[in-house]
Amino acid sequence: GESVGLHLPTLSVQEGDNSIINCAYSNSASDYFIWYKQESGKGPQFIIDIRSNMDKRQGQRVTVLLNKTVKHLSLQIAATQPGDSAVYFCAEIYPNTGGFKTIFGAGTRLFVKA
Amino acid sequence: NAGVTQTPKFQVLKTGQSMTLQCAQDMNHNSMYWYRQDPGMGLRLIYYSASEGTTDKGEVPNGYNVSRLNKREFSLRLESAAPSQTSVYFCASSVTPNYGYTFGSGTRLTVV
Repeated sequence: GESVGLHLPTLSVQEGDNSIINCAYSNSASDYFIWYKQESGKGPQFIIDIRSNMDKRQGQRVTVLLNKTVKHLSLQIAATQPGDSAVYFCAEIYPNTGGFKTIFGAGTRLFVKA
Repeated sequence: NAGVTQTPKFQVLKTGQSMTLQCAQDMNHNSMYWYRQDPGMGLRLIYYSASEGTTDKGEVPNGYNVSRLNKREFSLRLESAAPSQTSVYFCASSVTPNYGYTFGSGTRLTVV
């Protein structure tokens, strides 16, 4: 997959609007999911997580929705602000031989227009 | 509380030179990781340490070695740098492998 780079999917929203960023995950055994935000020149930053026994979790201005039937995860950002401009990517964690494995998604670049 | 600290932030090496990237965390996390991030390739796991005293190869370990010096520190060594190792390197830590990561701010490495 691809993450920070020249050919990332891009979402452009107007300041104040809501943003929805989507992620399709691959492993039906995944039981923990995380959204990360990566601003230019910085390391990824944990935003919100959700376990597989939930289908929705809310944080401050962010909501994560999980649809296990179609293996789909979304991040909703309410009242998007210029500071939300970044690359967002999801991660799925599943049990693996001897432990757990984390798979990072492709990433979506969010542009917020003032 | 500094989180995950990586040094150096920038480095330029000549082909064949060696160097060690340092990483330390102050959150008492058990697990630590080294990733590289390249345009169009995303985050790729180089090596990880699920707990103090253990290290395992990730997706792209060739050309690298690691040392889990103690619970806090996890270093990445390039023995003979190659231009293909030009990348941004991130260290991360987590309570255990099935928890979210805290990432460092990265080391931008250029091999010429």
